[in-house]
Amino acid sequence: DAGVIQSPRHEVTEMGQEVTLRCKPISGHNSLFWYRQTMMRGLELLIYFNNNVPIDDSGMPEDRFSAKMPNASFSTLKIQPSEPRDSAVYFCASSLRGAVYGYTFGSGTRLTVV
Amino acid sequence: GQQVMQIPQYQHVQEGEDFTTYCNSSTTLSNIQWYKQRPGGHPVFLIQLVKSGEVKKQKRLTFQFGEAKKNSSLHITATQTTDVGTYFCAEETSGSRLTFGEGTQLTVNP
Repeated sequence: DAGVIQSPRHEVTEMGQEVTLRCKPISGHNSLFWYRQTMMRGLELLIYFNNNVPIDDSGMPEDRFSAKMPNASFSTLKIQPSEPRDSAVYFCASSLRGAVYGYTFGSGTRLTVV
Repeated sequence: GQQVMQIPQYQHVQEGEDFTTYCNSSTTLSNIQWYKQRPGGHPVFLIQLVKSGEVKKQKRLTFQFGEAKKNSSLHITATQTTDVGTYFCAEETSGSRLTFGEGTQLTVNP
């Protein structure tokens, strides 16, 4: 298995532009999570899905952020419009609900908004 | 909401010395997970502890879950330069969501 695949690895964009981050979870995993990591706030859960359904989006900073999971093998996190304070590393992770094998994280997308 | 507190925030050791990071919660945890993140990398799952007083070992790493299930520790014996990274504990709450501690950043001087 190739693991959790995220794209792009790096994204540099200008303030005000739309940014779309993509994630392909591990086949068979039914939970998917989007995290954001910054020096100031550490690892924050933004939103998570169980069986493609959004369960809790209380971590989404504001309406500029949205996430979708149209099927079991694909999810997107969109920021529109982007702002410099959105600069961070965004991780996608997947898991089998309740499994003892923990979460498998993707390599992350490093987003820089200038 | 619940949040696990992790100490210390930073730890610098000489290669060969031992290292311990601690994770504490004000409430009883259902279970706790530990992750390692190398510099520039992503968190990698190490282990999950579920039972009160549980102790698990992975080579030079020893993980403990407190009797009251409110604290946990990770101990590394005789650190090596490959142990460099940030170690996170994480608590699993309803719906299988994980809340991560602040992490302990370990540096090892050769």
